[in-house]
This record gives sequence, C-alpha cells and structure tokens, in this order.
Amino acid sequence: DSGVTQTPKHLITATGQRVTLRCSPRSGDLSVYWYQQSLDQGLQFLIQYYNGEERAKGNILERFSAQQFPDLHSELNLSSLELGDSALYFCASSASGGSYGYTFGSGTRLTVV
Amino acid sequence: AQSVTQLDSHVSVSEGTPVLLRCNYSSSYSPSLFWYVQHPNKGLQLLLKYTSAATLVKGINGFEAEFKKSETSFHLTKPSAHMSDAAEYFCVVSGENSGYALNFGKGTSLLVTP
Repeated sequence: DSGVTQTPKHLITATGQRVTLRCSPRSGDLSVYWYQQSLDQGLQFLIQYYNGEERAKGNILERFSAQQFPDLHSELNLSSLELGDSALYFCASSASGGSYGYTFGSGTRLTVV
Repeated sequence: AQSVTQLDSHVSVSEGTPVLLRCNYSSSYSPSLFWYVQHPNKGLQLLLKYTSAATLVKGINGFEAEFKKSETSFHLTKPSAHMSDAAEYFCVVSGENSGYALNFGKGTSLLVTP
C-alpha cells in the first residue's frame, strides 16, 4: 500500500457519459497530480493541485476537470466520454514541490464502450 | 520545457547479465530525474531519483543511475538481471518551471530471458 488511494479500481461506462475518479493523497501530502496512461499516448500529465488550488496544467481536455477539496482529496471529472478516453488514470501525491518524491496510487482503469 | 527521450523501446537481456536502459534529458533548468518501474497490471514504483546531490544514484533492487550533465544522460543500470526485473521502465524529469509535474518518457520494455 503506497498510501495514495484511488477509487474505483475499474470503471466501465458508455460513450457520452460522465464519471468521477477519486484520489486520497498520502497523509501530509499537499500536492495531487493526475496522469493518464494510454497505449498510444503513453503517460501524460493532466493537472496538478496544491493545497486546494490549481498549480499546473498539462494535456487535459476541456471535457475533463478536477478539483481538490479542503480535506486534500481530489476528484477528476470526465464528461462526454469517448472511446479514446479509455485509459489508466493515475493519481500521485507529494509533500510540496515534488523534488522530494512522488507517491503513485494503483490507478483507475476506465473502459468506455 | 523539460523532456526525456528513452533511446530504446525494447531491451532484451539474459538472466544474470548486465542491464542498461538509456535516457537522455532536455532541460533549461537544473532538473530532478527519476526512474520508475511498472510491472504488468501494476502501478508505478519509484526506483531512484536524482535531485542535484551525488551524480551516482543508488536505487532499490540493485539498480543505479548516473547523472552526466555533459552528455545530458541519466542511464539506468544493474549488474545482473533477474527474471523479476521484467517490466516497463520510465525515465522521468520534473522541474520548477512546470510546477514539478512529472514528464515521462515513452518507456522501455525490459525482457529477461532464462
């Protein structure tokens, strides 16, 4: 157990639907990062939150959004889902800027049918 | 922007022989560099990290990497491969100008044969 908890582990949904992925960071970590891993794009950074505020944005689609709550857990919302959104979504947390290391969750596997 | 290039998409070695996974980085700033491993259907595990301390970094499971600024390289090595080392390996860079987000290489698949 890495200390970063992601739920659900697996999710199957239909095109056009909306889903929410949840991440609880390791205790004491203020930063949360979301990544998408797909066969064609590899591992891509989506977005980072630090203590409730958006800190950095990567290749995140407009159909996707995220937030970090006061208890520091984060949610990634994916809407108007397409087949190409099928991927493994990872959450990682770090204490501050990240140079001290990141801890990854085990991921949520999203399948869009 | 920071980026890494993993020079080999697949590497095959025999059990007991050395492992070399190559990575070059590009960064305008002093980067932090990492190697992560992902076993099939598993999450990402940190092998080692370089954060401007010693240039030779020792990690878990006998892996090490050397930061060479003149060559902009951060190759991963292990003296003797085990069957359990078969996995996908990612070279990763992060830096202050990207909010410390990790930029992953495309990965190198390591195959270990008996």
